[in-house]
Amino acid sequence: KNQVEQSPQSLIILEGKNCTLQCNYTVSPFSNLRWYKQDTGRGPVSLTIMTFSENTKSNGRYTATLDADTKQSSLHITASQLSDSASYICVVSDRGSTLGRLYFGRGTQLTVWP
Amino acid sequence: EADIYQTPRYLVIGTGKKITLECSQTMGHDKMYWYQQDPGMELHLIHYSYGVNSTEKGDLSSESTVSRIRTEHFPLTLESARPSHTSQYLCASTNPGSLSTDTQYFGPGTRLTVL
Repeated sequence: KNQVEQSPQSLIILEGKNCTLQCNYTVSPFSNLRWYKQDTGRGPVSLTIMTFSENTKSNGRYTATLDADTKQSSLHITASQLSDSASYICVVSDRGSTLGRLYFGRGTQLTVWP
Repeated sequence: EADIYQTPRYLVIGTGKKITLECSQTMGHDKMYWYQQDPGMELHLIHYSYGVNSTEKGDLSSESTVSRIRTEHFPLTLESARPSHTSQYLCASTNPGSLSTDTQYFGPGTRLTVL
């Protein structure tokens, strides 16, 4: 069964600290993996997208890594800010969303305290 | 910032009412989607469309229906709302990029509460 599991379910950190969110998947075949940020009451916004051949991708203070062999990804947030408080969703595609389907994780709820 | 819009943002209605959730995008995307999301849970695909006059049911069974008469417009309708329909509904569209890196753009969502 194709699944996407994220950990931790929730995380509280202090402003300025770093954190790492985890995503494990069993989706096969694998096309790409995306990380989305979803603010409360809003739609998800894409942060990064990585294909099979990419190991790391950065977007400002966000850095995603991908190990396609172990089917694991992580999202590292550097020097957290209050505005980073949101749910971070890992999404895996089996053939690209145009042809295939997307598998969504339940997200990690990150709270950044001042 | 994606140009995809949803109205209303919040809706509270009584059981048995007919409702239509609006979704429109100005990016010229052919493929559009409707997702249902409960608090703390993953998004579930309920409908999608490849283009005008094309609609398909998603992975999660839904009593809602959709239509795609124009490329930019993908409304979702519930003929008779029930409390079990209370949820957040998210509309999305996909850019016509490469197959492996196309990205879904999401609207802000409609939070529906059926009393």
